[in-house]
Amino acid sequence: EIVLTQSPGTLSLSPGERATLSCRASQSVSSSHLAWYQQKPGQAPRLLIYGASSRATGIPDRFSGSGSGTDFTLTISRLEPEDFAVYYCQHYGSSLTFGGGTKVEIK
Amino acid sequence: QVQLQESGPGLVKPSETLSLTCTVSGGSISSYYWNWIRQPPGKGLEWIGYIYYNGSTNYNPSLKSRVTISVDTSKNQFSLKLSSVTAADTAVYYCARIIGAGPYHYYGMDVWGQGTTVTVSS
Repeated sequence: EIVLTQSPGTLSLSPGERATLSCRASQSVSSSHLAWYQQKPGQAPRLLIYGASSRATGIPDRFSGSGSGTDFTLTISRLEPEDFAVYYCQHYGSSLTFGGGTKVEIK
Repeated sequence: QVQLQESGPGLVKPSETLSLTCTVSGGSISSYYWNWIRQPPGKGLEWIGYIYYNGSTNYNPSLKSRVTISVDTSKNQFSLKLSSVTAADTAVYYCARIIGAGPYHYYGMDVWGQGTTVTVSS
């Protein structure tokens, strides 16, 4: 089973700054099978990125995904107030797994 | 647009079976993969399993012995049963749709229900 490790656990940044979130897989995975989600308190997760780099419908272009093999990155180019949330990476394979999440908080 | 709504008891006794239903509105349950995911209080997301509209299933290995997911296409619903629950099964339970997946592609969980809180307690 693939284990996804996200870092850092918490990222403290100011609006307008760039956020770089990491997701590391325990073994090489297909980038086609890697997704990212955003979750705000009291809400269901929202799909941001699929296939490691494709934005889901309606997702602003300040969100971008990249990576391959075992290392994947979600970048938010300029943080807006509504971007402060928890972000999860997720892998689809013989089983589905989520990373532990990265909380992006206001500094 | 497609919407998902979870329903079921909010309180389940230890050792009993948790049963939840997800109703799909605004679209057909045919095609797609229909998932259950849970989130214990203050913790991250855990995938429970999915069912394809044709009835084929895939479960989280850590829960497989206790989980059954079924689909009723006539009612546009799919359901979760989790047996022998303990306090560790207390969580918000979400249903979600995977629009497409296969050996060379995965389009993510694009539609989610709002979640329902289930507490396991006597």
